[in-house]
Amino acid sequence: AQSVTQLDSHVSVSEGTPVLLRCNYSSSYSPSLFWYVQHPNKGLQLLLKYTSAATLVKGINGFEAEFKKSETSFHLTKPSAHMSDAAEYFCVGYNFNKFYFGSGTKLNVKP
Amino acid sequence: GAVVSQHPSWVICKSGTSVKIECRSLDFQATTMFWYRQFPKQSLMLMATSNEGSKATYEQGVEKDKFLINHASLTLSTLTVTSAHPEDSSFYICSAREGGGNIQYFGAGTRLSVL
Repeated sequence: AQSVTQLDSHVSVSEGTPVLLRCNYSSSYSPSLFWYVQHPNKGLQLLLKYTSAATLVKGINGFEAEFKKSETSFHLTKPSAHMSDAAEYFCVGYNFNKFYFGSGTKLNVKP
Repeated sequence: GAVVSQHPSWVICKSGTSVKIECRSLDFQATTMFWYRQFPKQSLMLMATSNEGSKATYEQGVEKDKFLINHASLTLSTLTVTSAHPEDSSFYICSAREGGGNIQYFGAGTRLSVL
């Protein structure tokens, strides 16, 4: 079975410090992987995507993610957190015409 | 980038009435649209997949007669919650996919409150 696992339900960082949101995937074949952000009472906004090209993917708002096949991971990072980054983040996989959602990670940014 | 418009953003209705939610792709043709339901502090739960011009495919446990989906054109899909009850109160989100691509573009969601 294919799945996407977000290892942390909550992450709290101080403003200006690095952000790491972890995502592992389980798939027989390399899937397409995405990170989306959801602000309260809003839809999901695409941050970045991996589709078997470069393994280091740069997205919007300073976020990036690295696809590591040996670790089956696709962790999301940002060098310096901003207050506006506080939101829910979803890792999503796509394979064989089906999308797989992680359970989400709520990022809290402290001043 | 691709834009998906979802309307209304918030609706309150009485128990027993029906509510229609619209999902439009504004600058691309969406051959496939998805409808999700999201409970507080949870991930999205896929309710159904809608392909233009054909019947929607519902996920297990989702009542197709309760949640009517129509995808009559390449830019519009609607979800009608029929005879709504308080337990139907939730956040409903649509997404659209262009052609056979693997990127979903999401609407802003609809908060449904059934009194």
